[in-house]
Amino acid sequence: DIVMTQSPDSLAVSLGERATINCKSSHNVLYSSNNKNYLAWYQQKSGQPPRLLIYWASIRESGVPDRFSGSGSGTDFTLTISSLQAEDVAVYYCQQHYTTPRTFGQGTKVEVK
Amino acid sequence: EVQLVESGGGLVQPGGSLRLSCSASGFTFITNFMHWVRQAPGKGLEYVSGITSNGGDTYYAESVKGRLTISRDNSNNTLYLQMSSLRPEDTAVYYCVKGPYYMDGWGKGTTVTVSS
Repeated sequence: DIVMTQSPDSLAVSLGERATINCKSSHNVLYSSNNKNYLAWYQQKSGQPPRLLIYWASIRESGVPDRFSGSGSGTDFTLTISSLQAEDVAVYYCQQHYTTPRTFGQGTKVEVK
Repeated sequence: EVQLVESGGGLVQPGGSLRLSCSASGFTFITNFMHWVRQAPGKGLEYVSGITSNGGDTYYAESVKGRLTISRDNSNNTLYLQMSSLRPEDTAVYYCVKGPYYMDGWGKGTTVTVSS
């Protein structure tokens, strides 16, 4: 199975400041035939199911604010929240959708400093 | 709007069985790969199982192979997870999820508690 490792496990950021979450895959998730990275990001607020934020590593899901952005390729990826808002407090997960089982990172908890 | 409604969770003794159901609406169920994902109390997300659109291929996490069985009824837009030989470590919220690759639709989940 592909192992996904996120860093850090948690971070506290002041409102309006940038939050950066890293995700490393144990296997290349870039599919060469279509040049797509099979990597997604999810946000889970307390008591709610996860919500898709980003897919194909950098495509924002409909309705997701543009302060959220994804980058990276191959095995190393980043989720950036450009200006943290109070409603962004949540746990964020990366997931590879390159193969099954579709493994998740352990999660990164984002809080307001 | 995608709607996924899980049911069938509850309290079961170790070694027992349970069948979860997921009623789907708001999208073309018959053309979609479906998954089950679980989350133990206070823990992260764990992929459990997936099934192709026609039910011809199924996939399982190692931790549940041989004990959990995914299936679907495309005529009734319903996804199932038959759970047997349950263990305390299977205690979790079980989410029904839509998506061939990334997961773009999630139910609210149903809680399974395995305890004596």
